[in-house]
Amino acid sequence: AQSVAQPEDQVNVAEGNPLTVKCTYSVSGNPYLFWYVQYPNRGLQFLLKYITGDNLVKGSYGFEAEFNKSQTSFHLKKPSALVSDSALYFCAVRYAGNNRKLIWGLGTSLAVNP
Amino acid sequence: DGGITQSPKYLFRKEGQNVTLSCEQNLNHDAMYWYRQDPGQGLRLIYYSQIVNDFQKGDIAEGYSVSREKKESFPLTVTSAQKNPTAFYLCASSDLATAAYNEQFFGPGTRLTVL
Repeated sequence: AQSVAQPEDQVNVAEGNPLTVKCTYSVSGNPYLFWYVQYPNRGLQFLLKYITGDNLVKGSYGFEAEFNKSQTSFHLKKPSALVSDSALYFCAVRYAGNNRKLIWGLGTSLAVNP
Repeated sequence: DGGITQSPKYLFRKEGQNVTLSCEQNLNHDAMYWYRQDPGQGLRLIYYSQIVNDFQKGDIAEGYSVSREKKESFPLTVTSAQKNPTAFYLCASSDLATAAYNEQFFGPGTRLTVL
């Protein structure tokens, strides 16, 4: 079955420290991977995506993600966290052959402490 | 401004009533989607439409209905048959529905509460 896992419900990090939000996937075929962020009572905002090519993808607000095919992972990273990065982060995947809908992770709540 | 608008932001409904949530986009996107978000459950797809006058059920379509009479509009009706409708509803759109690598753009959401 196709699935996405975000193994941590919550991540806590101190401001200025690097942050990582984890995502692993299980799909047949080549995956297209996405990260979104959601602030309280707001819609989701697209951060970045991996389609093909360079495994390190750079996105909005200083975020980046690394695609690792052997580990079927697509972890979101930022070198130096800001308090304003505190939000809910979602990983999603669509695979070749199913272009109709995204498979969503359950989300990871990131708290950046001042 | 280009984007997706949803209205109303907050909606209260009495049990047994149907309500319609509005979603409009001016991005000229082909595809539109409705999701339901509950705490700890992520996003679940209700309905999606890839073209005007056509739509498909998602994973949790029971108790909901949609229409797609215009490219820019995709209203969602929550019927009295939906047993637990209290949730946050998100509308999204994407360009070229057949392109699997296209990201979705989201509206600000409507929070529906059943009294």
